[in-house]
Amino acid sequence: AQSVAQPEDQVNVAEGNPLTVKCTYSVSGNPYLFWYVQYPNRGLQFLLKYITGDNLVKGSYGFEAEFNKSQTSFHLKKPSALVSDSALYFCAVRDMGYGGATNKLIFGTGTLLAVQP
Amino acid sequence: DGGITQSPKYLFRKEGQNVTLSCEQNLNHDAMYWYRQDPGQGLRLIYYSQIVNDFQKGDIAEGYSVSREKKESFPLTVTSAQKNPTAFYLCASKRGIGNTGELFFGEGSRLTVL
Repeated sequence: AQSVAQPEDQVNVAEGNPLTVKCTYSVSGNPYLFWYVQYPNRGLQFLLKYITGDNLVKGSYGFEAEFNKSQTSFHLKKPSALVSDSALYFCAVRDMGYGGATNKLIFGTGTLLAVQP
Repeated sequence: DGGITQSPKYLFRKEGQNVTLSCEQNLNHDAMYWYRQDPGQGLRLIYYSQIVNDFQKGDIAEGYSVSREKKESFPLTVTSAQKNPTAFYLCASKRGIGNTGELFFGEGSRLTVL
């Protein structure tokens, strides 16, 4: 079955330090991977996606993610964290049906990022 | 200014009542989705629609109903058959052709059953 896992419920990091939010996936075929951010009581905002090509994907607000096929991972990273980055982060993978990628996304359970000043 | 509008933002309902959540988009997107968000469970798909007058059940469709009479609108009805309706509901639409496009989300509707 297709799935995506975010092994950490919460990540704590000091402002100015690099941050990593982990995501691993399990799908058949080539994965389509996405990262979203959610601020309290708001909808989700798209950060970046990997479809094909360069394994290092750059996105909004200085975030980037590295696709690693051998480790089936798509970790979100930022070189220098800001207090304003504190939010809930979701990893998602496109559901793969019998005919290939469907129009449905499978979401992880989310990781709360807390950046301390 | 294009986007997705969900209303109401907060809604209270008595047990046994049906309630309809509105979702309108002016992005000219074909596909629209309803997700339910509960703490610690991520987002779960309720229903989705890829074209007008067509929709499919997601993973947790029981107790919910939808319609897609217009491209811009995808309302969700939470019926009295839904056993635990208190949740945060998110509507989304999909950008781009094929299956590579990302979702655009509304600001959500928080439903509380009293």
